[in-house]
Amino acid sequence: QQQVKQSPQSLIVQKGGISIINCAYENTAFDYFPWYQQFPGKGPALLIAIRPDVSEKKEGRFTISFNKSAKQFSLHIMDSQPGDSATYFCAAGGNTNAGKSTFGDGTTLTVKP
Amino acid sequence: DVKVTQSSRYLVKRTGEKVFLECVQDMDHENMFWYRQDPGLGLRLIYFSYDVKMKEKGDIPEGYSVSREKKERFSLILESASTNQTSMYLCASSPAGGLREQFFGPGTRLTVL
Repeated sequence: QQQVKQSPQSLIVQKGGISIINCAYENTAFDYFPWYQQFPGKGPALLIAIRPDVSEKKEGRFTISFNKSAKQFSLHIMDSQPGDSATYFCAAGGNTNAGKSTFGDGTTLTVKP
Repeated sequence: DVKVTQSSRYLVKRTGEKVFLECVQDMDHENMFWYRQDPGLGLRLIYFSYDVKMKEKGDIPEGYSVSREKKERFSLILESASTNQTSMYLCASSPAGGLREQFFGPGTRLTVL
């Protein structure tokens, strides 16, 4: 049973455009929703995270929007740059089981110059 | 600078061999995780550990075992490697409680012939 569904699988955006990646979760016990960024040859690294008590979190060009009632959250990358080309994973985690997170399948973002 | 290191970046083994993947973290984290990453399947949790000598199965533990004799080291063992275990293996660690960001190593690309 896939608990976190991520879409799209791949995304191509022009430089300066907005990249949007969506995730949906099922388990209402999740209370931590991070996004990780992975460049080729590297492990994933935390990009930005949100807890369900807020509906939006912004860090620079990256924004998480969170809809608790719909059990959905999304990553928006404003003014996308070629350096943002990477694979993005959403995840959802709870307070139990060593704080483990369940990851989405990933989105490969390509930003064209 | 916090660090998770993995013993090998690339490994080639033969079917039936016993394979050890080592992971070391220098952040004094309680929690450690082993994932495998396959295209289109995201990060799938194999095993995790929340304390020395403690381990729990993740979503795909079949064919794998783990060992955590010291807090900083978490080993993944393939008792008898098979071709369907060819994959990228990622180790991660996180602190207990509070922020649940996972810190990932660079990964080991394992090929089983």
